[in-house]
Amino acid sequence: SQTIHQWPATLVQPVGSPLSLECTVEGTSNPNLYWYRQAAGRGLQLLFYSVGIGQISSEVPQNLSASRPQDRQFILSSKKLLLSDSGFYLCAWAGGSGRAMNTEAFFGQGTRLTVV
Amino acid sequence: QKEVEQDPGPLSVPEGAIVSLNCTYSNSAFQYFMWYRQYSRKGPELLMYTYSSGNKEDGRFTAQVDKSSKYISLFIRDSQPSDSATYLCAMSGGSNYKLTFGKGTLLTVNP
Repeated sequence: SQTIHQWPATLVQPVGSPLSLECTVEGTSNPNLYWYRQAAGRGLQLLFYSVGIGQISSEVPQNLSASRPQDRQFILSSKKLLLSDSGFYLCAWAGGSGRAMNTEAFFGQGTRLTVV
Repeated sequence: QKEVEQDPGPLSVPEGAIVSLNCTYSNSAFQYFMWYRQYSRKGPELLMYTYSSGNKEDGRFTAQVDKSSKYISLFIRDSQPSDSATYLCAMSGGSNYKLTFGKGTLLTVNP
């Protein structure tokens, strides 16, 4: 069965510090990978998605970047955090292993980031 | 017009009630429709997945898709306090691999 791991669960970082959130998927190959941010009352905002190694599409210009160094690893980064980067970050995967790309997505448990 | 509209609620019902949650959308390319349940401070959990129009039932949950009206629904029968959560609709389709979400409806089932 497929599983998705996302860590850390919570993170408190000072303004101006770097950020690295990691997400890995097991049990499938070549999945689509997604990073979302969820703010209260604003729903899920798609930040980045990737359909393959090294392929990153950015949805919203911002202080964040994403990388996919391996097939089942997706990393969200920032060189200098802003207060406005605080939020609940969610990694998700879909498709993979020969399945159609437009299938249901499965989420990790999220990282609650507080920038102070 | 937003691609997906979902009434944020909050919605409060007594235990045992039938709950109806709805989303409308504007993109006719959407063909895949999902409902997620999200408990506080947790990641969304997939509840129902349907392709194109029609109904799908899973236990107390029924998902309906009406593509002609661009309207999807989730019904919860015999609602339980454990159903209290935020419910998110999501959809995708065409050559676009992105999921588009509604903002979620906060449901509280009172014992």
